Amino acid sequence: DIQMTQSPSTLSASVGDRVTITCRASQSISSWLAWYQQKPGKAPKLLIYKASSLEGGVPSRFSGSGSGTEFTLTISSLQPDDFATYYCQQYNSYSLTFGGGTKVEIK
Amino acid sequence: EVQLVESGGGLVQPGGSLRLSCAASGFILSDHYMDWVRQAPGKGLEWVGRTRDKGNSYTTQYAASVKGRFTISRDDSKNSLYLQMNSLKTEDTAVYYCARTSVGQNPFNSWGQGTLVTVSS
Repeated sequence: DIQMTQSPSTLSASVGDRVTITCRASQSISSWLAWYQQKPGKAPKLLIYKASSLEGGVPSRFSGSGSGTEFTLTISSLQPDDFATYYCQQYNSYSLTFGGGTKVEIK
Repeated sequence: EVQLVESGGGLVQPGGSLRLSCAASGFILSDHYMDWVRQAPGKGLEWVGRTRDKGNSYTTQYAASVKGRFTISRDDSKNSLYLQMNSLKTEDTAVYYCARTSVGQNPFNSWGQGTLVTVSS
């Protein structure tokens, strides 16, 4: 299985900060990568697919980049609603796998 | 509006069985892949398995951790997805989500609210 490694596992930031989360794949997954946001007690929500495509209705402050084995999720100006846990997920091959998550906390 | 509603979770003893359901509405179930994803308490997300669409003969795929114990099925006439879980282990304790995926290489684009399964004696 392809291993997905996210860093950092926890991130403390303030409203207005630019935030970057990294996701590395153990082998090339081309651009078959998605990012999800999850709030406590809620289901995950799709933010980004195919590494850099923004899902409909997702604010433009979210962006994704990368290909092959290294990917990033960037929030250009952190808003109060963005404090949550973020997961990357590869859908290049089975088993589909997720990163361990990055919790974005209020500084 | 796409809606996915899971049900059937609860407390079960190790070695026992449980069947989860996912009621779908707002889209044509037979045109989509459907997945189960779980999340152990305080942990990350783990893909459980998939059933493909009618055009792909409803073929299934499973994670190694559940293969041979869990079975995914669907009844498109009832707009429902199922997860039959047998030989349950304590490590199967998790919130189980059903999720919709468009045909092909695509992410999970809609999720249910989840149902909690607790495996304990």
